[in-house]
Amino acid sequence: DAKTTQPPSMDCAEGRAANLPCNHSTISGNEYVYWYRQIHSQGPQYIIHGLKNNETNEMASLIITEDRKSSTLILPHATLRDTAVYYCIVIPVGTGFQKLVFGTGTRLLVSP
Amino acid sequence: DAGVTQSPTHLIKTRGQHVTLRCSPISGHKSVSWYQQVLGQGPQFIFQYYEKEERGRGNFPDRFSARQFPNYSSELNVNALLLGDSALYLCASTAGPGGYQETQYFGPGTRLLVL
Repeated sequence: DAKTTQPPSMDCAEGRAANLPCNHSTISGNEYVYWYRQIHSQGPQYIIHGLKNNETNEMASLIITEDRKSSTLILPHATLRDTAVYYCIVIPVGTGFQKLVFGTGTRLLVSP
Repeated sequence: DAGVTQSPTHLIKTRGQHVTLRCSPISGHKSVSWYQQVLGQGPQFIFQYYEKEERGRGNFPDRFSARQFPNYSSELNVNALLLGDSALYLCASTAGPGGYQETQYFGPGTRLLVL
């Protein structure tokens, strides 16, 4: 499984964009980048995923570099409810088996 | 539509006892995965089941077992509980076994405390 590296913590002011980086330099061609977040004591929540193109949904945007070795999750207008641990996970698809390998994630603190 | 549901929400057991945790996947989903999350760490993969067959197993002792029923719900069983089994146990469901762009959706978890 490809490994990911994320900063342990980040701060963001409410209403500003939160940009969360992730390094996945050993990613393979059949591996997608997935982002989940976990608000205290709750189950992880799926945010977004992508292969090589930038993606956007109602929650966030995902920017993947052209070489696919890193990505950035963007929360365009962070709110206090976005305070959570954010996990970047690389997952091979099409194998008939899927195991999420969670690292330590980035603890995002959104302040007023 | 209901998401992934888990029961019970909280549980207290003593060392040596047995525990059964239950999970109902999202309607239409046929795969269930179990994860253990110890305080301060990320979730760790325990099992994946698809169509009632085990598709994968993490690095957990044989005290941990699971099964999936014809309605795709699942049970996680842990025997001979140890203090270190205290954790949040998470269930996730996917439509299929892990094919193209299949996303795992998590339930709220069962918090187990072993005394």
